[in-house]
Amino acid sequence: ILNVEQSPQSLHVQEGDSTNFTCSFPSSNFYALHWYRWETAKSPEALFVMTLNGDEKKKGRISATLNTKEGYSYLYIKGSQPEDSATYLCALNSGYSTLTFGKGTMLLVSP
Amino acid sequence: ETGVTQSPTHLIKTRGQQVTLRCSSQSGHNTVSWYQQALGQGPQFIFQYYREEENGRGNFPPRFSGLQFPNYSSELNVNALELDDSALYLCASSQGQGNTGELFFGEGSRLTVL
Repeated sequence: ILNVEQSPQSLHVQEGDSTNFTCSFPSSNFYALHWYRWETAKSPEALFVMTLNGDEKKKGRISATLNTKEGYSYLYIKGSQPEDSATYLCALNSGYSTLTFGKGTMLLVSP
Repeated sequence: ETGVTQSPTHLIKTRGQQVTLRCSSQSGHNTVSWYQQALGQGPQFIFQYYREEENGRGNFPPRFSGLQFPNYSSELNVNALELDDSALYLCASSQGQGNTGELFFGEGSRLTVL
């Protein structure tokens, strides 16, 4: 059973703060890493799918980095806004049909 | 482009009953995956269907079964419901076998088993 860990479990920041979360995974089972953003009462929405060691992807104020050798990915949000409040999920694809999800990081951004 | 839709959005069943959840995949997608999210957990993989064939299964008992239809919509069936089956069931569609690209999720069906 693969173990995907996310930290912190929850985070409360003020508008304008920059923040980052961590996703850790077994480096020996890597094929791709997914990040999803999940707002309450909506569906999870894909942010990034990352496959290459050292890769960095960016979408607006959100960016992610990947280290497959040591088994971690960071998600960064620059200048957090209240609309960034959501649960951020990472998921490991180990080469089969399965995505193994972490439990998520719940972000609350206060105005 | 039509997104992923799931039905019903909420339902309540009693132990021992059977339930069918439905999912319409996004236009152009031929792969559907089902996930169960219990309270406080991340989504857990149930199974995936690719072009009407099961293409992988997670650690769920046989009373969890599925179907994919020629139009690539899908059903999740759960027999002999147990209290622990209470969860949010998510359907996700994608193009191609496996998970090489992003998944497109529905909003989920919340099942409560009493």
